Amino acid sequence: SQQGEEDPQALSIQEGENATMNCSYKTSINNLQWYRQNSGRGLVHLILIRSNEREKHSGRLRVTLDTSKKSSSLLITASRAADTASYFCATEDTGGFKTIFGAGTRLFVKA
Amino acid sequence: SAVISQKPSRDICQRGTSLTIQCQVDSQVTMMFWYRQQPGQSLTLIATANQGSEATYESGFVIDKFPISRPNLTFSTLTVSNMSPEDSSIYLCLGLTNTGELFFGEGSRLTVL
Repeated sequence: SQQGEEDPQALSIQEGENATMNCSYKTSINNLQWYRQNSGRGLVHLILIRSNEREKHSGRLRVTLDTSKKSSSLLITASRAADTASYFCATEDTGGFKTIFGAGTRLFVKA
Repeated sequence: SAVISQKPSRDICQRGTSLTIQCQVDSQVTMMFWYRQQPGQSLTLIATANQGSEATYESGFVIDKFPISRPNLTFSTLTVSNMSPEDSSIYLCLGLTNTGELFFGEGSRLTVL
């Protein structure tokens, strides 16, 4: 079964607002990654955070990782209509180096 | 970033036939995986492609239905055998680099009639 669980499943915000998505997982991980998928297109790698890191920034993206709670959050600041997409977290477990994807959060940014 | 080339990008197939998808990666990739993404769903890991040996399949996936080859470090194939409409999906090849980053092929969109 897929272990990454994102919440919320769907999020609708106004342009300029911040969007926060959360991801929980169950096993020990090497790293956690966030991806974006625009409708009908492939996945785009956004950011990777390793298990010994707590926070990482990339442009308007901020990712946090709490290994004690087995959770991560993705914050998109000053959202734009072009940020409308599905966002997936994926975890690479320490055992078999498999990467498991969650069900995704659908973000809709209204102009 | 790693380069991953996958083909075909899309195909329409008849029930009962088989289709082989090819994935070519560059040397930064150390591990290769095959995923399936059914309409409206997340990615599901089918198997890990092991160089020179049988792939490691996830629960619910078997070699007879999804035979996988990886004759060398940079090339792998996935065959979808005896297809049915339920196999209509996007199939993705993923490569994992030695820095832990995952890169995707463009995906193969399969429609089974």
